[in-house]
Amino acid sequence: DVVLTQSPLSLSVTLGQPASISCRSSQSLVYTDGNTYLIWFHQRPGQSPRRLIYKVSTRDSGVPDRFGGSGSGTDFTLKISRVEAEDVGVYYCMQGTYWPQTFGQGTKVEI
Amino acid sequence: EVVLEQSGGGLVQPGGSLRLSCVTSGLSFSSYWMSWVRQAPGKGLEWVANIKEDGSEKYYVDSVKGRFTISRDNAKNSLFLQMDGLRVEDTAVYYCARGYSYPNWGPGTLVTVSS
Repeated sequence: DVVLTQSPLSLSVTLGQPASISCRSSQSLVYTDGNTYLIWFHQRPGQSPRRLIYKVSTRDSGVPDRFGGSGSGTDFTLKISRVEAEDVGVYYCMQGTYWPQTFGQGTKVEI
Repeated sequence: EVVLEQSGGGLVQPGGSLRLSCVTSGLSFSSYWMSWVRQAPGKGLEWVANIKEDGSEKYYVDSVKGRFTISRDNAKNSLFLQMDGLRVEDTAVYYCARGYSYPNWGPGTLVTVSS
Protein backbone atom coordinates (compact mmCIF):
# COMPACT_ATOMS: atom_id res chain seq x y z
CA ASP A 1 0.00 0.00 0.00
CA VAL A 2 1.04 3.61 -0.59
CA VAL A 3 2.23 5.29 2.59
CA LEU A 4 1.53 8.97 3.12
CA THR A 5 3.68 10.73 5.70
CA GLN A 6 2.47 14.05 7.03
CA SER A 7 4.57 16.62 8.85
CA PRO A 8 4.38 18.11 11.29
CA LEU A 9 1.95 15.93 13.25
CA SER A 10 1.09 18.86 15.45
CA LEU A 11 1.10 22.56 14.65
CA SER A 12 0.49 25.51 16.93
CA VAL A 13 -0.40 28.59 14.94
CA THR A 14 -1.13 32.25 15.55
CA LEU A 15 -4.32 33.81 14.28
CA GLY A 16 -3.69 35.70 11.08
CA GLN A 17 -0.40 33.94 10.42
CA PRO A 18 0.30 31.38 7.68
CA ALA A 19 0.51 27.62 8.23
CA SER A 20 1.82 24.81 6.10
CA ILE A 21 1.42 21.01 6.20
CA SER A 22 3.49 18.57 4.18
CA CYS A 23 2.36 15.23 2.79
CA ARG A 24 4.92 12.90 1.24
CA SER A 25 4.04 9.74 -0.63
CA SER A 26 6.02 6.51 -0.82
CA GLN A 27 5.55 6.56 -4.59
CA SER A 28 4.50 8.97 -7.29
CA LEU A 29 0.77 9.75 -7.24
CA VAL A 30 0.52 10.51 -10.95
CA TYR A 31 -2.13 8.23 -12.44
CA THR A 32 -2.05 6.78 -15.94
CA ASP A 33 -4.55 9.43 -17.05
CA GLY A 34 -2.09 12.17 -16.11
CA ASN A 35 -4.03 13.34 -13.06
CA THR A 36 -2.69 13.28 -9.51
CA TYR A 37 -5.32 12.15 -7.02
CA LEU A 38 -4.10 13.82 -3.85
CA ILE A 39 -6.86 15.10 -1.58
CA TRP A 40 -6.94 17.16 1.63
CA PHE A 41 -9.57 16.89 4.36
CA HIS A 42 -10.25 18.92 7.48
CA GLN A 43 -11.90 17.41 10.54
CA ARG A 44 -13.05 19.62 13.37
CA PRO A 45 -13.43 18.01 16.81
CA GLY A 46 -16.55 15.87 16.97
CA GLN A 47 -17.37 16.36 13.31
CA SER A 48 -17.12 14.39 10.10
CA PRO A 49 -14.21 15.13 7.79
CA ARG A 50 -14.78 17.75 5.11
CA ARG A 51 -13.02 17.64 1.77
CA LEU A 52 -11.11 20.85 1.10
CA ILE A 53 -9.01 20.15 -1.98
CA TYR A 54 -8.84 17.45 -4.63
CA LYS A 55 -6.43 16.70 -7.47
CA VAL A 56 -3.67 18.49 -5.55
CA SER A 57 -4.93 22.04 -5.87
CA THR A 58 -8.63 22.27 -6.78
CA ARG A 59 -10.66 23.76 -3.94
CA ASP A 60 -14.09 22.38 -3.20
CA SER A 61 -17.09 24.67 -3.41
CA GLY A 62 -17.35 26.92 -0.38
CA VAL A 63 -13.76 26.42 0.74
CA PRO A 64 -12.15 29.79 1.52
CA ASP A 65 -9.40 30.88 -0.82
CA ARG A 66 -6.97 31.13 2.09
CA PHE A 67 -6.57 27.36 1.62
CA GLY A 68 -4.21 26.32 -1.15
CA GLY A 69 -2.80 23.00 -2.27
CA SER A 70 0.34 22.45 -4.28
CA GLY A 71 2.93 19.84 -5.17
CA SER A 72 3.61 17.07 -7.61
CA GLY A 73 4.85 13.50 -7.80
CA THR A 74 5.50 12.53 -4.19
CA ASP A 75 5.61 15.87 -2.36
CA PHE A 76 2.53 17.91 -1.55
CA THR A 77 1.68 20.87 0.64
CA LEU A 78 -1.44 22.40 2.13
CA LYS A 79 -1.05 26.06 2.97
CA ILE A 80 -3.32 28.33 4.95
CA SER A 81 -2.45 31.91 4.12
CA ARG A 82 -3.97 33.46 7.26
CA VAL A 83 -5.19 31.11 9.97
CA GLU A 84 -8.62 31.75 11.45
CA ALA A 85 -10.10 30.28 14.62
CA GLU A 86 -12.38 27.94 12.65
CA ASP A 87 -9.34 26.28 11.07
CA VAL A 88 -8.48 24.28 14.19
CA GLY A 89 -8.76 20.53 13.97
CA VAL A 90 -6.98 17.73 12.15
CA TYR A 91 -5.94 17.82 8.51
CA TYR A 92 -5.52 14.62 6.51
CA CYS A 93 -4.09 14.01 3.09
CA MET A 94 -5.35 11.03 1.12
CA GLN A 95 -4.30 9.42 -2.13
CA GLY A 96 -6.80 8.02 -4.60
CA THR A 97 -4.35 7.07 -7.31
CA TYR A 98 -3.72 3.51 -6.13
CA TRP A 99 -6.01 0.95 -4.60
CA PRO A 100 -6.55 0.92 -1.69
CA GLN A 101 -6.99 4.59 -0.93
CA THR A 102 -4.75 5.54 1.96
CA PHE A 103 -4.64 8.45 4.37
CA GLY A 104 -1.84 10.29 6.08
CA GLN A 105 -1.65 10.15 9.88
CA GLY A 106 -3.18 13.57 10.29
CA THR A 107 -1.84 16.92 11.44
CA LYS A 108 -3.45 18.53 14.45
CA VAL A 109 -3.69 22.30 14.17
CA GLU A 110 -4.34 24.38 17.24
CA ILE A 111 -4.25 28.06 18.02
CA GLU B 1 -28.15 19.72 -0.76
CA VAL B 2 -26.53 16.32 -0.39
CA VAL B 3 -27.39 14.59 2.90
CA LEU B 4 -26.18 11.21 4.17
CA GLU B 5 -28.03 9.92 7.24
CA GLN B 6 -26.60 7.01 9.18
CA SER B 7 -27.97 4.50 11.65
CA GLY B 8 -27.22 1.10 13.12
CA GLY B 9 -24.25 1.52 15.43
CA GLY B 10 -24.06 0.39 19.02
CA LEU B 11 -22.41 -1.87 21.55
CA VAL B 12 -21.82 -5.49 20.63
CA GLN B 13 -19.81 -8.35 22.08
CA PRO B 14 -16.83 -9.82 20.24
CA GLY B 15 -18.03 -12.24 17.59
CA GLY B 16 -21.34 -10.41 17.25
CA SER B 17 -22.95 -8.69 14.30
CA LEU B 18 -24.25 -5.24 13.37
CA ARG B 19 -25.71 -3.73 10.23
CA LEU B 20 -25.02 -0.13 9.40
CA SER B 21 -27.26 1.89 7.10
CA CYS B 22 -26.74 5.10 5.18
CA VAL B 23 -29.71 6.76 3.51
CA THR B 24 -28.90 9.50 1.05
CA SER B 25 -30.78 12.40 -0.47
CA GLY B 26 -29.97 15.24 -2.82
CA LEU B 27 -27.86 13.17 -5.17
CA SER B 28 -28.32 10.70 -7.97
CA PHE B 29 -27.35 7.78 -5.73
CA SER B 30 -27.24 5.15 -8.44
CA SER B 31 -24.63 7.19 -10.34
CA TYR B 32 -21.92 6.98 -7.70
CA TRP B 33 -19.59 4.54 -6.07
CA MET B 34 -20.12 4.60 -2.30
CA SER B 35 -17.71 3.91 0.51
CA TRP B 36 -17.35 3.19 4.21
CA VAL B 37 -14.50 4.80 6.13
CA ARG B 38 -13.80 4.27 9.82
CA GLN B 39 -11.95 6.07 12.58
CA ALA B 40 -10.88 4.29 15.74
CA PRO B 41 -11.05 6.38 18.92
CA GLY B 42 -8.37 9.05 18.83
CA LYS B 43 -6.93 7.67 15.60
CA GLY B 44 -6.86 8.54 11.92
CA LEU B 45 -9.06 7.61 9.00
CA GLU B 46 -9.13 4.17 7.37
CA TRP B 47 -10.97 3.15 4.22
CA VAL B 48 -13.06 0.02 4.88
CA ALA B 49 -15.01 -0.86 1.75
CA ASN B 50 -16.54 0.51 -1.40
CA ILE B 51 -19.11 -0.58 -3.96
CA LYS B 52 -19.67 0.25 -7.60
CA GLU B 53 -22.74 2.11 -8.82
CA ASP B 54 -24.64 -1.05 -9.74
CA GLY B 55 -23.23 -3.19 -6.94
CA SER B 56 -21.30 -5.41 -9.34
CA GLU B 57 -17.90 -4.67 -7.79
CA LYS B 58 -17.03 -4.56 -4.12
CA TYR B 59 -13.68 -4.02 -2.42
CA TYR B 60 -12.58 -4.36 1.18
CA VAL B 61 -9.59 -3.57 3.34
CA ASP B 62 -7.79 -6.83 4.15
CA SER B 63 -8.64 -6.70 7.85
CA VAL B 64 -12.39 -7.02 7.21
CA LYS B 65 -12.45 -9.38 4.23
CA GLY B 66 -14.71 -12.34 4.85
CA ARG B 67 -16.39 -10.64 7.83
CA PHE B 68 -17.93 -7.44 6.42
CA THR B 69 -20.27 -7.14 3.43
CA ILE B 70 -21.07 -3.90 1.67
CA SER B 71 -24.30 -3.62 -0.28
CA ARG B 72 -26.68 -1.04 -1.67
CA ASP B 73 -30.31 -0.57 -2.64
CA ASN B 74 -30.47 1.98 -5.43
CA ALA B 75 -34.27 2.08 -5.33
CA LYS B 76 -34.04 3.30 -1.73
CA ASN B 77 -30.90 5.45 -2.16
CA SER B 78 -29.32 3.40 0.61
CA LEU B 79 -25.95 1.91 1.46
CA PHE B 80 -25.33 -0.84 3.98
CA LEU B 81 -22.48 -2.50 5.83
CA GLN B 82 -23.15 -5.90 7.35
CA MET B 83 -20.50 -6.55 9.99
CA ASP B 84 -20.14 -10.11 11.27
CA GLY B 85 -17.50 -11.67 13.47
CA LEU B 86 -16.79 -8.31 15.06
CA ARG B 87 -13.52 -7.86 16.91
CA VAL B 88 -12.42 -5.41 19.58
CA GLU B 89 -10.20 -3.74 16.98
CA ASP B 90 -13.26 -2.93 14.84
CA THR B 91 -14.32 -0.38 17.45
CA ALA B 92 -14.60 2.91 15.59
CA VAL B 93 -16.84 5.60 14.22
CA TYR B 94 -17.99 4.41 10.81
CA TYR B 95 -18.71 6.98 8.11
CA CYS B 96 -20.45 6.49 4.82
CA ALA B 97 -19.06 8.68 2.06
CA ARG B 98 -19.87 9.37 -1.57
CA GLY B 99 -17.58 8.06 -4.24
CA TYR B 100 -13.94 7.32 -3.57
CA SER B 101 -12.74 10.88 -3.26
CA TYR B 102 -15.31 11.58 -0.53
CA PRO B 103 -16.82 14.97 -1.29
CA ASN B 104 -19.72 14.14 1.03
CA TRP B 105 -19.75 12.33 4.38
CA GLY B 106 -22.35 11.05 6.76
CA PRO B 107 -22.31 12.10 10.44
CA GLY B 108 -20.78 8.80 11.51
CA THR B 109 -22.05 6.07 13.79
CA LEU B 110 -20.12 4.59 16.70
CA VAL B 111 -19.55 0.85 16.80
CA THR B 112 -18.17 -0.45 20.08
CA VAL B 113 -17.04 -4.05 20.32
CA SER B 114 -16.49 -5.04 23.91
CA SER B 115 -17.33 -7.78 26.36
